[in-house]
Amino acid sequence: ETGVTQSPTHLIKTRGQQVTLRCSSQSGHNTVSWYQQALGQGPQFIFQYYREEENGRGNFPPRFSGLQFPNYSSELNVNALELDDSALYLCASSPRPSPETYEQYFGPGTRLTVT
Amino acid sequence: GQQVMQIPQYQHVQEGEDFTTYCNSSTTLSNIQWYKQRPGGHPVFLIQLVKSGEVKKQKRLTFQFGEAKKNSSLHITATQTTDVGTYFCAGDNYGQNFVFGPGTRLSVLP
Repeated sequence: ETGVTQSPTHLIKTRGQQVTLRCSSQSGHNTVSWYQQALGQGPQFIFQYYREEENGRGNFPPRFSGLQFPNYSSELNVNALELDDSALYLCASSPRPSPETYEQYFGPGTRLTVT
Repeated sequence: GQQVMQIPQYQHVQEGEDFTTYCNSSTTLSNIQWYKQRPGGHPVFLIQLVKSGEVKKQKRLTFQFGEAKKNSSLHITATQTTDVGTYFCAGDNYGQNFVFGPGTRLSVLP
């Protein structure tokens, strides 16, 4: 059983640019959630994807968008990057979507720095 | 919106001492999860509590869910240096997706 993987590990972008982060879910999991974790804080929910559809969204602007593919892998896209977007972006896969209870398995994250 | 708070923010203990972190939600939760994040790492799922008043144990770790399903606690008995990390609670508000607390950072002095 493979775990959750994310790429790239680190990324440096300039304000105003666009970025795409990728996540491969754990084998057998059909649900992917994305979180933003600023330094010293808890993860903040961005959105969840289940069977290629968005299944819930947190308090993030539309410039944060996502995709899920038939193999359940997922992408997080952020347009018009701002300095405050600098954070660790975590992907978590789970065997079931909200509102069912589910364990979340996190990937190692992508550290994004916006200069 | 739903808010999840944790206290204390930091805790420094001597190895062998006990440790407790408390989690409080502004709204009633359908369930609560606990995660541990080592420095430089990612959150790792520890446990999920669903029932009012539920108590679960994992070796030296004891987790409780309050009767009103608005608070929870994690207690570690006889801490070890391997317990170092930040402990997060995450509350699920009946399908509105998980809201993480700010975490309690535990350091254990040998």
